[in-house]
Amino acid sequence: SQTIHQWPATLVQPVGSPLSLECTVEGTSNPNLYWYRQAAGRGLQLLFYSVGIGQISSEVPQNLSASRPQDRQFILSSKKLLLSDSGFYLCAWKDRKIWGYTFGSGTRLTVV
Amino acid sequence: KQEVTQIPAALSVPEGENLVLNCSFTDSAIYNLQWFRQDPGKGLTSLLLIQSSQREQTSGRLNASLDKSSGRSTLYIAASQPGDSATYLCAVNQGNTPLVFGKGTRLSVIA
Repeated sequence: SQTIHQWPATLVQPVGSPLSLECTVEGTSNPNLYWYRQAAGRGLQLLFYSVGIGQISSEVPQNLSASRPQDRQFILSSKKLLLSDSGFYLCAWKDRKIWGYTFGSGTRLTVV
Repeated sequence: KQEVTQIPAALSVPEGENLVLNCSFTDSAIYNLQWFRQDPGKGLTSLLLIQSSQREQTSGRLNASLDKSSGRSTLYIAASQPGDSATYLCAVNQGNTPLVFGKGTRLSVIA
């Protein structure tokens, strides 16, 4: 069966520090992968999505970046965090043959 | 640009009541619509997926309908329970473009 892993669950980082959040999918191949952010009082905002290794589409200009070094691995990064980067980050995947999306358990990031 | 609206933003009902959550979208050219549940501090759990050719889907006490031409979907919850308390999110898919979400309806079921 397919599973999605996202870590860490909680992260507190100082302003200006780097960030690396990882998401991996098991039990499928060549999935579409997505990073969403949910800020307090706001809806889910799409940050990045990927349809294949090394292929990244960015939806929102910001100081975050994403990479897909392996087929089932999606990484969200920042060189220097801002206070406004605080939020709940969710990774999701979609099988190309199945329409539904599956989400990970999320990472709560607090930038202090 | 597709926009998804969910009404109401929050809802509080007594246990046992039947309720309806509403979702509307501006571009009717969708492939499917998906309803999710989110508990506080948790990820999203998929509840129901309706393909554009379908009118409704049912799972237990949940029933979701889709009127693609009018850009509307409803999620019906029968005999609500305190365990149904959560935020319910509606999202639409237009093929290869990523899901577009509404802001959700926060449901509280009071025992």
